[in-house]
Amino acid sequence: GENVEQHPSTLSVQEGDSAVIKCTYSDSASNYFPWYKQELGKRPQLIIDIRSNVGEKKDQRIAVTLNKTAKHFSLHITETQPEDSAVYFCAALYSGGGADGLTFGKGTHLIIQP
Amino acid sequence: DAGVIQSPRHEVTEMGQEVTLRCKPISGHDYLFWYRQTMMRGLELLIYFNNNVPIDDSGMPEDRFSAKMPNASFSTLKIQPSEPRDSAVYFCASSGLAKETQYFGPGTRLLVL
Repeated sequence: GENVEQHPSTLSVQEGDSAVIKCTYSDSASNYFPWYKQELGKRPQLIIDIRSNVGEKKDQRIAVTLNKTAKHFSLHITETQPEDSAVYFCAALYSGGGADGLTFGKGTHLIIQP
Repeated sequence: DAGVIQSPRHEVTEMGQEVTLRCKPISGHDYLFWYRQTMMRGLELLIYFNNNVPIDDSGMPEDRFSAKMPNASFSTLKIQPSEPRDSAVYFCASSGLAKETQYFGPGTRLLVL
């Protein structure tokens, strides 16, 4: 089955700086890579996703990049703000069939320092 | 749309008791997923259904756990008997035609004493 590794486990950045979270996956068949944000005591919420037919996707201050050859993908948050503080999870999935569901990384606790 | 609905939101029970968690997926979604979240193990997929049929239950920890989906708008996750190590937040999620964009419910916070 798929295995997703996520780094770092904790990331502290100054407000206004950029934050980068990295994930690697093991199954070359995986073709869908979402990122979820989970605030304390709340549910995970999808913030951005990317499919294997593109290398980069942006949505305002958030971007995700994918390197299929190296089997890694990254989340980039620019101009960080206090409300970006949360736990971020990456995940991987082969959506074309088969029984496997989403496999999540262990999460990154992002702390935005004022 | 009300989103994914879970009940109860909090459950405190004693070891050995039966616990039943409930989920109502978003109307029209074909997939329903049950996850467990703990500090130690992160977010784990327990089981998921497609059109009410269980597809992958390899994440169910042991025979004490069972899940059903009798119809497209309702699913249960049952733990019998419960143990302290089952204490966690249990999330239900649903998605449309593909298994991709999953919408999570608010979760059930379970504490087994």
